[in-house]
Amino acid sequence: SQQGEEDPQALSIQEGENATMNCSYKTSINNLQWYRQNSGRGLVHLILIRSNEREKHSGRLRVTLDTSKKSSSLLITASRAADTASYFCATVVGGGADGLTFGKGTHLIIQP
Amino acid sequence: KAGVTQTPRYLIKTRGQQVTLSCSPISGHRSVSWYQQTPGQGLQFLFEYFSETQRNKGNFPGRFSGRQFSNSRSEMNVSTLELGDSALYLCASSLGQPSYNEQFFGPGTRLTVL
Repeated sequence: SQQGEEDPQALSIQEGENATMNCSYKTSINNLQWYRQNSGRGLVHLILIRSNEREKHSGRLRVTLDTSKKSSSLLITASRAADTASYFCATVVGGGADGLTFGKGTHLIIQP
Repeated sequence: KAGVTQTPRYLIKTRGQQVTLSCSPISGHRSVSWYQQTPGQGLQFLFEYFSETQRNKGNFPGRFSGRQFSNSRSEMNVSTLELGDSALYLCASSLGQPSYNEQFFGPGTRLTVL
């Protein structure tokens, strides 16, 4: 079963707007990672946030983690057409024996 | 530095055949992980290798196997292919333990089983 679940499943916004995607998970985690995938190709790592961190930034990306609610959010500010992709959250539980456990992803479409 | 490379990029096989996929990690990375991606099940963890040893294995049947060589290159093998094995197979490498570090993914091998 999926550990992480992204919400919404699909999101369409205008270029320049901000995009927010959420991820909920079921069990305690070691860390949570966000990845981007363009058109069924390889995944690109965006941000890793550890369980003792609450917020991280990277360029136009902001990730928050609320371990009490078992949820994370990814905010992309000032979106661009090139941000069109699927975004996945992935969790690591315990020592990582199950590898990364991915959610189903949010498909983001940026309208020019 | 060259990224993670996977060969072949596309593969068509028939049921009952076997297939071998190859992954070359980023130079210096000793950890390689494999994932299967399908529309129905999403991304699922197959195996993780470090220094030629399989450290972790996902919930897949024994038809799925892998190995890692001394140069960190890795191969995965699927025997007695089934239609449900059609998927994008992704390989990822990392400098340290993969669960705690950024993983770099290759472009994937798209396997179609007819």
